[in-house]
Amino acid sequence: GQNIDQPTEMTATEGAIVQINCTYQTSGFNGLFWYQQHAGEAPTFLSYNVLDGLEEKGRFSSFLSRSKGYSYLLLKELQMKDSASYLCAVRDGPGSYIPTFGRGTSLIVHP
Amino acid sequence: DAGITQSPRHKVTETGTPVTLRCHQTENHRYMYWYRQDPGHGLRLIHYSYGVKDTDKGEVSDGYSVSRSKTEDFLLTLESATSSQTSVYFCAISELGTANTGELFFGEGSRLTVL
Repeated sequence: GQNIDQPTEMTATEGAIVQINCTYQTSGFNGLFWYQQHAGEAPTFLSYNVLDGLEEKGRFSSFLSRSKGYSYLLLKELQMKDSASYLCAVRDGPGSYIPTFGRGTSLIVHP
Repeated sequence: DAGITQSPRHKVTETGTPVTLRCHQTENHRYMYWYRQDPGHGLRLIHYSYGVKDTDKGEVSDGYSVSRSKTEDFLLTLESATSSQTSVYFCAISELGTANTGELFFGEGSRLTVL
């Protein structure tokens, strides 16, 4: 089985930087995803990590440490529109294509 | 955006009635999934498909069945709806290959209320 942990809720100020952590315990590993989900909408893909290190994509970056079972999503220059849930999802095992999702982190950005 | 649509988008039904949700894609992706999303639980996999007529159970499959007779359509059926199946249901698709990471593309969701 899989265990994926994320904080339930975080708050931050517009213009600041926030880091959302995800820890996982899986029998194997075949990639980690971050998705963004605005209230009442579908999740949308943000980032993918399969090797250790940092992946940067504009204001968003995602980091992975496979040995520690740890990832984080870093959001810079926060905007009000970044208020959303952020979902961490992990694929386990070689050849696995099905991700298991954490419960998500609700981020509230204040003016 | 991936071409994926769900129908109906909203449905209210009574306990014990059958319900079918439809997912239609125009991307010719091989893999299709049905998830449900509930407060405090996140997204949980109900069933998935890895090809026409090839389906398998996810972690919360009890009370649900699926069918995939064509690449583009994946149907989720609740044979006899219960109040515990009140939820938001998301269909998703993915493809694997050297050009992509296998990320999921989600439909807009179907909100089901069972009274």
